[in-house]
Amino acid sequence: QQQVKQSPQSLIVQKGGISIINCAYENTAFDYFPWYQQFPGKGPALLIAIRPDVSEKKEGRFTISFNKSAKQFSLHIMDSQPGDSATYFCAASSFNYDKLVFGAGTILRVKS
Amino acid sequence: NAGVMQNPRHLVRRRGQEARLRCSPMKGHSHVYWYRQLPEEGLKFMVYLQKENIIDESGMPKERFSAEFPKEGPSILRIQQVVRGDSAAYFCASSPSRGGPFTEAFFGQGTRLTVV
Repeated sequence: QQQVKQSPQSLIVQKGGISIINCAYENTAFDYFPWYQQFPGKGPALLIAIRPDVSEKKEGRFTISFNKSAKQFSLHIMDSQPGDSATYFCAASSFNYDKLVFGAGTILRVKS
Repeated sequence: NAGVMQNPRHLVRRRGQEARLRCSPMKGHSHVYWYRQLPEEGLKFMVYLQKENIIDESGMPKERFSAEFPKEGPSILRIQQVVRGDSAAYFCASSPSRGGPFTEAFFGQGTRLTVV
């Protein structure tokens, strides 16, 4: 019940295309859903996060879509750029406790 | 405002030795979390500490691993009698408070432990 399942494991997108990464969770106590971006040799950096009171959040080229009834959320990267090539992790936690449960990660490669 | 500082960045230990990993949280942050990342896997929670208190150690192996966050100084993750399976990247994250708004966790750059 503590798992967060992430797909796909890897993704190749052409420059300018849309990258879509999906996550699903089971624990209904989760109410904070961040996405982290990690470059090789670096720590994860918070990219964007959403709470379940909204169904979508957009920051620049990055959008989170959230479906509470399906217990799914996704990251969309519009106009993908080679600099977006990284590993992306979805995560979840409960509002009153910051322990994060991470998905397994998606390796994104944007081809120029 | 410096970010979360971890050292060393790389650590090589022989089997049976002790590894000590240090984490200095961001200024003003009193909550520290340790995560472990095995190759090509996501991060797994290990332990959550506040100053002088262990709040949740449900992700810590029962033996050989310990963590502390003293009143003064960095948080320490200690691994005794290391084995090859301990080879991983260990990340520390800090946040200003527990739960509620503005509690995003900020990660350090990690310590990559290699056991030979």
